[in-house]
Amino acid sequence: QQQVKQSPQSLIVQKGGISIINCAYENTAFDYFPWYQQFPGKGPALLIAIRPDVSEKKEGRFTISFNKSAKQFSLHIMDSQPGDSATYFCAASMHGGTSYGKLTFGQGTILTVHP
Amino acid sequence: ETGVTQTPRHLVMGMTNKKSLKCEQHLGHNAMYWYKQSAKKPLELMFVYNFKEQTENNSVPSRFSPECPNSSHLFLHLHTLQPEDSALYLCASSPVPISYEQYFGPGTRLTVT
Repeated sequence: QQQVKQSPQSLIVQKGGISIINCAYENTAFDYFPWYQQFPGKGPALLIAIRPDVSEKKEGRFTISFNKSAKQFSLHIMDSQPGDSATYFCAASMHGGTSYGKLTFGQGTILTVHP
Repeated sequence: ETGVTQTPRHLVMGMTNKKSLKCEQHLGHNAMYWYKQSAKKPLELMFVYNFKEQTENNSVPSRFSPECPNSSHLFLHLHTLQPEDSALYLCASSPVPISYEQYFGPGTRLTVT
């Protein structure tokens, strides 16, 4: 029930295309959904995050779409660039209980953007 | 130095060795974390420290021993490891205990032979 399932495992997109990564969760107590971006040789870095009271959040070319009833959320990267090539992790967290703020990560998606 | 730093960046050790990983954060945060990152697996939270006190041990084997002497420094002491412990060990910090927004170091790539 604590799992966050992420797909696809890898994704290849042409420059200028749209990259879409999907995540699903079971625990309805999750109430914060961040995405992290990790480049080779670096640690993950927070990219964008959403709370379940909104259905979409956009920051530049990055958009999170959230479907509370389906318990799914996704990351869309518009106009994908070679510099976006990285591993992307979705995560989920909750306010209450002993798991307060503890992040549960998805398995990661390796994105490759071809020039 | 800025952000979260980790040393060494790479470590090869035998199963009978004892070594330590070091993490330092320069962000003024008061919570620090150890994660294990293995290929094709989600990041696994190992330990959480809040104001130098351990608040989370995620069923980590005793061959991993954390130490947090102050809010800026975190160590992971390693002894009698197994080959399956080979992984990238990431340190993170956050401004509040067990925060959603964590700042990660570059990690230590550990290989156990």
